[in-house]
Amino acid sequence: GAGVSQSPSNKVTEKGKDVELRCDPISGHTALYWYRQSLGQGLEFLIYFQGNSAPDKSGLPSDRFSAERTGGSVSTLTIQRTQQEDSAVYLCASSPPTSKETQYFGPGTRLLVL
Amino acid sequence: GDSVTQMEGPVTLSEEAFLTINCTYTATGYPSLFWYVQYPGEGLQLLLKAMKADDKGSNKGFEATYRKETTSFHLEKGSVQVSDSAVYFCALNMDSSYKLIFGSGTRLLVRP
Repeated sequence: GAGVSQSPSNKVTEKGKDVELRCDPISGHTALYWYRQSLGQGLEFLIYFQGNSAPDKSGLPSDRFSAERTGGSVSTLTIQRTQQEDSAVYLCASSPPTSKETQYFGPGTRLLVL
Repeated sequence: GDSVTQMEGPVTLSEEAFLTINCTYTATGYPSLFWYVQYPGEGLQLLLKAMKADDKGSNKGFEATYRKETTSFHLEKGSVQVSDSAVYFCALNMDSSYKLIFGSGTRLLVRP
């Protein structure tokens, strides 16, 4: 079946602009996660959704970062007023209700802020 | 807080050599442990997992045993192939959100 998909695969933006990153989880997966992979910080957790609610937002690095999930499916991560340090690969993962501890990752969105 | 420590890479081996990548963790409870692999140009893939102490995860010839007494989850393979060249990440999760905490990753390069 289809895996986790993310779009765009690459995004180049100018400092100060807003960007939206999209994640389509595997059908039927109730949990959804966003992570960031950067050279300086490694792989960091950003936010977790269970259904449409986000009980754990502890990894969001600043109030410029926000995320939402609608219909228990697609999620959007929004970064406002981007900064150069936001450049990274943003990864989305989902997990099924029957195996909550196992996450399946998408290919990521590579963001470059100039 | 909870954390994962991996040996620094790169690890360079000849084909058919024995592989060990060390991983230790710090956690307040009893986490689940994972190894993920990232092949060049690809996304993260789950390689193997272990849910409780003394469990052994295995896949594609790789193995790792959950050792509570040494808080370790070392990855091993008896005979590596060129196609195993990738970055390997050790990770844990343990709270109700199941969010993953990753190590810094270890790059493996296998030469023919």
